[in-house]
Amino acid sequence: DARVTQTPRHKVTEMGQEVTMRCQPILGHNTVFWYRQTMMQGLELLAYFRNRAPLDDSGMPKDRFSAEMPDATLATLKIQPSEPRDSAVYFCASGLQRGGDQETQYFGPGTRLLVL
Amino acid sequence: AQKITQTQPGMFVQEKEAVTLDCTYDTSDPSYGLFWYKQPSSGEMIFLIYQGSYDQQNATEGRYSLNFQKARKSANLVISASQLGDSAMYFCAMRYGSSNTGKLIFGQGTTLQVKP
Repeated sequence: DARVTQTPRHKVTEMGQEVTMRCQPILGHNTVFWYRQTMMQGLELLAYFRNRAPLDDSGMPKDRFSAEMPDATLATLKIQPSEPRDSAVYFCASGLQRGGDQETQYFGPGTRLLVL
Repeated sequence: AQKITQTQPGMFVQEKEAVTLDCTYDTSDPSYGLFWYKQPSSGEMIFLIYQGSYDQQNATEGRYSLNFQKARKSANLVISASQLGDSAMYFCAMRYGSSNTGKLIFGQGTTLQVKP
C-alpha cells in the first residue's frame, strides 16, 4: 500500500528556531506539492516540484521558507527563523504527471507545527 | 481568478441515508479537474473522487458519486448509505491552469456528522 510519508508528525519549537520537515513521495511519482492548512486560510499551496525541479513557489514566504528536493525520494521544507504565525499543519502530496496531464495528488499525514 | 465555494459549513445525516455536499467553482480555463477529499479527525487528507471537465459521465467510486453540472459550475458530492465512519470534513478542490500543472485550489470544507 503505497503512501506518502512525512516526518516529524508533530513539532513544537520556539520562535526563532529552524524547523525542517521531510517528505517521502510515493515511489514513481514525479511531482511533489507542499501545502499549509490553517483555520483562517484553509489549505494553501506553498510550492511544488516536478522531476525534482522547483516549478512554482509563489505561495511561499521567500524570506524564511525554503523547499528542496535533494533526490527523488526526499523533499524538504525548511523554515528559518520560525514565527508563531507559522503554526499550522503542513502537508506534502505527490502525484504523477504523464501524457500532459497531472494525475491525482495523494497526501501525506501532515506535520503539525506549533511555534511558541 | 479561480474560486471554489462550499456553502455548507456543517451537515448532519442519519446513518444509512444519502447526503449531498455542495461545491461550486469559478474558472475561465477550458480544461480543469475537480476533486473531493475527506479529512477525518485524525487529520489525514484522503482522496475520494475525480471529475475532469471534459468527462461526459459523472464520476463514481463505490458509495461516492460526483454530480457534475458544467453549465451551473457545480460539482456536488453524493454519499449514499452513510456510515458512521463518514463523519469528517470534506473538501472540494479544483485543478487550475493547464492540465499538467496539478495546482489545486481548495474550498473551505464541509463538516459532515453521521448520526446513529
